[in-house]
Amino acid sequence: AQSVTQPDIHITVSEGASLELRCNYSYGATPYLFWYVQSPGQGLQLLLKYFSGDTLVQGIKGFEAEFKRSQSSFNLRKPSVHWSDAAEYFCAVVGGGSQGNLIFGKGTKLSVKP
Amino acid sequence: KAGVTQTPRYLIKTRGQQVTLSCSPISGHRSVSWYQQTPGQGLQFLFEYFSETQRNKGNFPGRFSGRQFSNSRSEMNVSTLELGDSALYLCASSPRRGSRETQYFGPGTRLLVL
Repeated sequence: AQSVTQPDIHITVSEGASLELRCNYSYGATPYLFWYVQSPGQGLQLLLKYFSGDTLVQGIKGFEAEFKRSQSSFNLRKPSVHWSDAAEYFCAVVGGGSQGNLIFGKGTKLSVKP
Repeated sequence: KAGVTQTPRYLIKTRGQQVTLSCSPISGHRSVSWYQQTPGQGLQFLFEYFSETQRNKGNFPGRFSGRQFSNSRSEMNVSTLELGDSALYLCASSPRRGSRETQYFGPGTRLLVL
């Protein structure tokens, strides 16, 4: 069965520092992968997605992610974090077959130090 | 274009009661999915509706049900509420069904069961 693991429950970075959030997936075929962000009391906002092609994907708010099939990873990166990036980040993979339901990781909470 | 809207935003119920949550998808979107978010279990898929029919279902008891109307609006119902049903319920819409469709989330309905 498909699954997603986000190894880091909570990460704290200083404003202006670089960021990398880890995501590992388990899926037999080529996965469709997503990163969403959730601010307190809000729903989920799509940051970026990977379906196929170029393994480096650009998203909104200056985020990017790299798909590495050999490592079953889809890590999210940002070169310089802003205080407004503090939120919870979720990696997700689409369920198998023709179903489109998302399978989420447990999330990584990002705190930003001034 | 207006985003996904969910009503009500907050709800307090007592054990044994039932509750109905509403979701209006983005205009033109025909697929609506529901997810439950709790601190312990994270984000879990409940079900998906398309063309007024349930197309996919997660691993939840029969107390959780839903429906979709001809205008693509959807409702979910939880009967005989239990304390463990306290959660943020998120609705997501996409233009069509399928693995390659991006899901856009609403702000959620926060349900507290006392």
